[in-house]
Amino acid sequence: EAQVTQNPRYLITVTGKKLTVTCSQNMNHEYMSWYRQDPGLGLRQIYYSMNVEVTDKGDVPEGYKVSRKEKRNFPLILESPSPNQTSLYFCASSWAGVRDTQYFGPGTRLTVL
Amino acid sequence: GDSVTQMEGPVTLSEEAFLTINCTYTATGYPSLFWYVQYPGEGLQLLLKATKADDKGSNKGFEATYRKETTSFHLEKGSVQVSDSAVYFCALIKAAGNKLTFGGGTRVLVKP
Repeated sequence: EAQVTQNPRYLITVTGKKLTVTCSQNMNHEYMSWYRQDPGLGLRQIYYSMNVEVTDKGDVPEGYKVSRKEKRNFPLILESPSPNQTSLYFCASSWAGVRDTQYFGPGTRLTVL
Repeated sequence: GDSVTQMEGPVTLSEEAFLTINCTYTATGYPSLFWYVQYPGEGLQLLLKATKADDKGSNKGFEATYRKETTSFHLEKGSVQVSDSAVYFCALIKAAGNKLTFGGGTRVLVKP
């Protein structure tokens, strides 16, 4: 089954404790991205990747890192999480870029205390 | 900058009622327009799209027409079902852009 998976689905952590949210897709998509969803603000892009080893900042990259060492995986890293990073995070992928249909993962709800 | 404005929810209606969700945008040129739907506990799914003025996107009984003159892309469905309860997002990509800009989302609740 074609899908985008994220882990964990739910995470409660404390300020400053490094964490990684994994994202994996099995569709051989070149384009992957991360969004955060906050009430009333819709989805805002954090980072995106056009292909392996090619990443770029989105609208709200501060406090986040990403890597794309393999085509299927695109982890989101919070080196020192803060409470303002409490949010719902979505990973998405597509064949060739943002103009293609985006396939979204199920989301990761993160709470930073 | 580019922006998408949606009507605030929640929108609560009865089964078989007519649904309209307003969406207006601000962007230069001729953006492509999208509606995404998010069912409870799931990620977003593309519902429909339109890439040029006067195009009508349609899927699962939903329709939206790209109106350049009013910079709008309102979503409509003639007869909703309980299974249409979800959050609906309007979004755009500029003609030469590389970013999806989303509206704030509209929650729709359909009661039996």
